[in-house]
Amino acid sequence: QVQLVQSGAELKKPGASVRLSCEASGYTFNAYVLHWVRQAPGQRLECMGWINPASGKTRYSEKFQARVTITRDTSANLVYMELSSLTSEDTALYYCARAPTISGVVNLGYFDNWGQGTLVAVSS
Amino acid sequence: DIQMTQSPSNLSASVGDRVTITCRASESVGKWLAWYQQKPGQAPNLLIYKASYLQSGVPSRFSGSGSGTEFTLTITSLQPDDFATYYCQQYESFRSFGQGTKVEI
Repeated sequence: QVQLVQSGAELKKPGASVRLSCEASGYTFNAYVLHWVRQAPGQRLECMGWINPASGKTRYSEKFQARVTITRDTSANLVYMELSSLTSEDTALYYCARAPTISGVVNLGYFDNWGQGTLVAVSS
Repeated sequence: DIQMTQSPSNLSASVGDRVTITCRASESVGKWLAWYQQKPGQAPNLLIYKASYLQSGVPSRFSGSGSGTEFTLTITSLQPDDFATYYCQQYESFRSFGQGTKVEI
């Protein structure tokens, strides 16, 4: 079955960076786009960006463009999300989520499978 | 950015009730809209995509309708397992979510 397994919780100090991972299994890795979506306490879900594993192409939210980098390792079916210059406002649950595509190219934009989430806490 | 607004934000209902949640977009998103259900401590779960297409495995008591800027999610006969928070999400322009509707007893 499809599984997206995320790395464990992180505690970071303000100004630091965090790198999260998402390991995909149970499907053809290159056939789906992987997104990162975060959910801060009391806030709505927020899409940070995504990567097409087949091409390596990425797209980021304008809000996070300067601070986020999403990469992939196709040999290990892994996707990474690095967020820099952390502040307390980055304290949130971070999800990776899979979006179907048309022929591995056109991102259909909705999320049919999600990881379990990774809690990132930013505190001095 | 396209802003998504759901109403109501909270909804009290009983088992067997018909429940309708509305989602409005700040500009047209065509039919590029999805609905998710999220229970405490769990990731969201896709219910509906392309405004009205039922995701595989989702009970038929869930349905979606609408286009452009106004959409609805309907649960025809609320079951105990349906008490959760529901989110709409547009994917016409980047991606954005509504603030959520909590359905509780």
